[in-house]
Amino acid sequence: DQQVKQNSPSLSVQEGRISILNCDYTNSMFDYFLWYKKYPAEGPTFLISISSIKDKNEDGRFTVFLNKSAKHLSLHIVPSQPGDSAVYFCAARGTSGTYKYIFGTGTRLKVLA
Amino acid sequence: GAVVSQHPSWVICKSGTSVKIECRSLDFQATTMFWYRQFPKQSLMLMATSNEGSKATYEQGVEKDKFLINHASLTLSTLTVTSAHPEDSSFYICSARDPRANTEAFFGQGTRLTVV
Repeated sequence: DQQVKQNSPSLSVQEGRISILNCDYTNSMFDYFLWYKKYPAEGPTFLISISSIKDKNEDGRFTVFLNKSAKHLSLHIVPSQPGDSAVYFCAARGTSGTYKYIFGTGTRLKVLA
Repeated sequence: GAVVSQHPSWVICKSGTSVKIECRSLDFQATTMFWYRQFPKQSLMLMATSNEGSKATYEQGVEKDKFLINHASLTLSTLTVTSAHPEDSSFYICSARDPRANTEAFFGQGTRLTVV
């Protein structure tokens, strides 16, 4: 039972355009969501997070939007750069106060120069 | 920033042998570390939560006798894959968080295990 889902396994975007990565979850008890970026043969690197009490969090080129009623979050990258090419995982914290993450299946982003 | 180091980065072993993977927090003390595994094109699946000085907590479906976890110090957790078989071949990743810092968990670089 996949509690965190990323339905798009891959995405290609032209450099300079916006990349939108989507994530859906099923457990309404999740209270904190994160996006991690992963290069091949490396561990994930934390990118940005959002608490369930917010609907938007922005950090430079990265913005995460949360729609609690739809149980949906998205990561916007604008402008996209070739160095952003990686696999992006969304994750949810399973229980408040712990750091036990439940990951989605990942979306491979390719930014074309 | 906080760094989590895993060793080895990759290992090839014969079926039936055991392999130990180390996870170290280099500049902070981690009372809790997490072990994940990732199959190709799949998600990172949490295997177990490693608690310093006590037994690990395993996720449903993970064999604790197969995947031995030891967290003997505040900076080191080890995962031993015992009697490895080809189906254990996977990418294993640990994570740890500095409980004193307001940051998310940091991940090690992962270990690619291939059992032949």
